[in-house]
Amino acid sequence: DAGVTQSPTHLIKTRGQQVTLRCSPKSGHDTVSWYQQALGQGPQFIFQYYEEEERQRGNFPDRFSGHQFPNYSSELNVNALLLGDSALYLCASTWGTGVYEQYFGPGTRLTVT
Amino acid sequence: AQKVTQAQTEISVVEKEDVTLDCVYETRDTTYYLFWYKQPPSGELVFLIRRNSFDEQNEISGRYSWNFQKSTSSFNFTITASQVVDSAVYFCALSEGDKGSRLTFGEGTQLTVNP
Repeated sequence: DAGVTQSPTHLIKTRGQQVTLRCSPKSGHDTVSWYQQALGQGPQFIFQYYEEEERQRGNFPDRFSGHQFPNYSSELNVNALLLGDSALYLCASTWGTGVYEQYFGPGTRLTVT
Repeated sequence: AQKVTQAQTEISVVEKEDVTLDCVYETRDTTYYLFWYKQPPSGELVFLIRRNSFDEQNEISGRYSWNFQKSTSSFNFTITASQVVDSAVYFCALSEGDKGSRLTFGEGTQLTVNP
């Protein structure tokens, strides 16, 4: 039973560029959430996708956008990268929109230079 | 607004010692859920426990135990007879009832267990 997978593992980008991160949820899960974790801090909620729609959004600018595909996989896009966007980006999956435990992927380490 | 505070940034113990990680939360909701996650050096968050606001019973799972006290808005985590493999960052998190599985995390506690 595959868990949550994310790609790529590491990524280095330059300020102003755009980046796309990918996530495949755990088998049987249909809800995907994205979190940003800066070094030494707790994860911060970016947004959540269910039934291919953004259901909830945290306090992140419009430069952060996402998408969910019919197979429940998801992408996180960040435009006009800033140095402050350097972080570990975590994807989590669960069932529906209730309060169940979320399963996290290993994350994508994004470095903006 | 919801908030989770983990006042202990780092804790260092010697193997076999007991250790308690503190978590204090703030919420205006009467229905909410509390979680603990473990983050080893690999980076992947591992789910440990979920507790809802209506269940104040303490829980024990092997060497792990959790003490939930609504009167002090605390949800503390104790590891008994710690082991080197327990070394990790531990996060407490809160989800308010109307926000589904959206989690608000604390800043985490780095636990180091020395042999």
